[in-house]
Amino acid sequence: NAGVTQTPKFQVLKTGQSMTLQCAQDMNHNSMYWYRQDPGMGLRLIYYSASEGTTDKGEVPNGYNVSRLNKREFSLRLESAAPSQTSVYFCASSEVGGRVGKLFFGSGTQLSVL
Amino acid sequence: AQSVTQLGSHVSVSEGALVLLRCNYSSSVPPYLFWYVQYPNQGLQLLLKYTSAATLVKGINGFEAEFKKSETSFHLTKPSAHMSDAAEYFCAVSGGNQGGKLIFGQGTELSVKP
Repeated sequence: NAGVTQTPKFQVLKTGQSMTLQCAQDMNHNSMYWYRQDPGMGLRLIYYSASEGTTDKGEVPNGYNVSRLNKREFSLRLESAAPSQTSVYFCASSEVGGRVGKLFFGSGTQLSVL
Repeated sequence: AQSVTQLGSHVSVSEGALVLLRCNYSSSVPPYLFWYVQYPNQGLQLLLKYTSAATLVKGINGFEAEFKKSETSFHLTKPSAHMSDAAEYFCAVSGGNQGGKLIFGQGTELSVKP
């Protein structure tokens, strides 16, 4: 019973490097989300995908791109990493959208940008 | 726009004492409200949710929260703290045409002293 799986768990980048964070869910959920967690700021929504084939910006989308590859997978790409993107990134999914359903979270990716 | 404010970034209680974590929300539409818990090095998991059915909501692990529209509050309580309750707690709001996404508060870290 995997739930939401994120890879990698840890990553160190140099400023300007690019990388893609992978997320997959096996619960047949329609909606998927990417959040970042920073001390004292809670979780902030980067991008979300209400259903397969759609993506929308959240609160802090600058510097990121996303791809909803299929119903299971939702990736987050940093094209040119900056130190301000040092954070813990969480992927989440929900069945009918967060309003009435509940979000299932992955275990997170700790990213450091030097 | 919706927002959530959690009062107190850190709360410390003794084992067996009352736990009270405060959350106030702002929403232009009837909100759905949530409490999530994050144990160390893990993703978030849902404690309880308010979806306009009953103002007193009971969740897992003995936690409950009361929705008070007049005070725009959704405080989390537990009558008797246990050592295993030590974690970070997040209040979140969803509502309106938001695509199902949740807006999280800054988080409150709960410590439980023996």
